[in-house]
Amino acid sequence: DAGVTQSPTHLIKTRGQQVTLRCSPKSGHDTVSWYQQALGQGPQFIFQYYEEEERQRGNFPDRFSGHQFPNYSSELNVNALLLGDSALYLCASSLGTANNYGYTFGSGTRLTVV
Amino acid sequence: AQSVAQPEDQVNVAEGNPLTVKCTYSVSGNPYLFWYVQYPNRGLQFLLKYITGDNLVKGSYGFEAEFNKSQTSFHLKKPSALVSDSALYFCAVRDDTGGFKTIFGAGTRLFVKA
Repeated sequence: DAGVTQSPTHLIKTRGQQVTLRCSPKSGHDTVSWYQQALGQGPQFIFQYYEEEERQRGNFPDRFSGHQFPNYSSELNVNALLLGDSALYLCASSLGTANNYGYTFGSGTRLTVV
Repeated sequence: AQSVAQPEDQVNVAEGNPLTVKCTYSVSGNPYLFWYVQYPNRGLQFLLKYITGDNLVKGSYGFEAEFNKSQTSFHLKKPSALVSDSALYFCAVRDDTGGFKTIFGAGTRLFVKA
């Protein structure tokens, strides 16, 4: 049973560049949520996608955008990268938006902005 | 607005002793509460949840948690700690007022000494 797959695992980018992170949800899940986890902190909610639409957004600027495809996979795009965007980006999948059964998380993408 | 507090940055316990990791929350409606564990360089793993019903919920690896509505707490417990339980633990909450996002605490690092 495939869990949540994220790619790439590590990424180094320069300030001002753009980055795209990818996520394939657990088989049978249809909802993808993205979180940013800075070093030593808890995950911060970026947004959630369901039925190819952004359903809710956290306190992140418009530089952060996303997409969900018909096969439920998702992308997170970050434009005009800042040093402060360096973090572990986690994708979490669930069945439906209610998350009554808990998330299944991927191992994350470690983004370093230099 | 939802919020989660984990008042202890670190908990130290000897192997074989009981452990408690504390969590308090604030939500507008009824809470959906979760505990997750994170091992180094990995994503989060779901441990247990409280949605409704019995205040004592049991989860993976012998962990349990007690929901206390009057104290707005959801402490994680285990009767006998193992060295392998050493990890970072996150409490999370969502409410039932229609929002989709799950909010995480800052995390508590658990050290179990042999």
